[in-house]
Amino acid sequence: QKEVEQNSGPLSVPEGAIASLNCTYSDRGSQSFFWYRQYSGKSPELIMFIYSNGDKEDGRFTAQLNKASQYVSLLIRDSQPSDSATYLCAVYTGGFKTIFGAGTRLFVKA
Amino acid sequence: SAVISQKPSRDICQRGTSLTIQCQVDSQVTMMFWYRQQPGQSLTLIATANQGSEATYESGFVIDKFPISRPNLTFSTLTVSNMSPEDSSIYLCSVHDRGPYYEQYFGPGTRLTVT
Repeated sequence: QKEVEQNSGPLSVPEGAIASLNCTYSDRGSQSFFWYRQYSGKSPELIMFIYSNGDKEDGRFTAQLNKASQYVSLLIRDSQPSDSATYLCAVYTGGFKTIFGAGTRLFVKA
Repeated sequence: SAVISQKPSRDICQRGTSLTIQCQVDSQVTMMFWYRQQPGQSLTLIATANQGSEATYESGFVIDKFPISRPNLTFSTLTVSNMSPEDSSIYLCSVHDRGPYYEQYFGPGTRLTVT
């Protein structure tokens, strides 16, 4: 069974620090990788996607992909209290199937 | 990215009744997805709706309980039938973007409480 694993947290970081969120996946044929942010009571919001090995940067966010290790991560630089949310890792495995992880709760302390 | 709206945004229903949730997208999309998310839990895929064909249901979900319509490329409905308190959840509509990477976008959700 195809799986996406995340540490449920909570991950607590001080304001201004780097938050590092990690995710592993089981299907070596996975094609695209996504990070969603979900605030309490809201729907998931796509914040980053990556499809090739290496790093992809967008503002304070960097997604990192290592297909050999089946590992994808999200770094949030200069973390802000407004970054406090649950972050969902998702993996597109083909055939219109996307597998979502259970999410990591992030708390950024002011 | 696609803009998705859902109606109603929330509802409180009595057990044994049914509720139909509507999902409208501002562009034509091939695949639409319906998810359920219970408090503090991750997303659970209920079914995938492809225009012009029967919806494909995930294990544990059946058409009699969650009938889905997909009359065109911008609209879908999910009905939660014969509701029980266990159906209390947030129901989310989602679509694949037209790009090559199959990123999904979500509607705002419908918060359902069954009493």
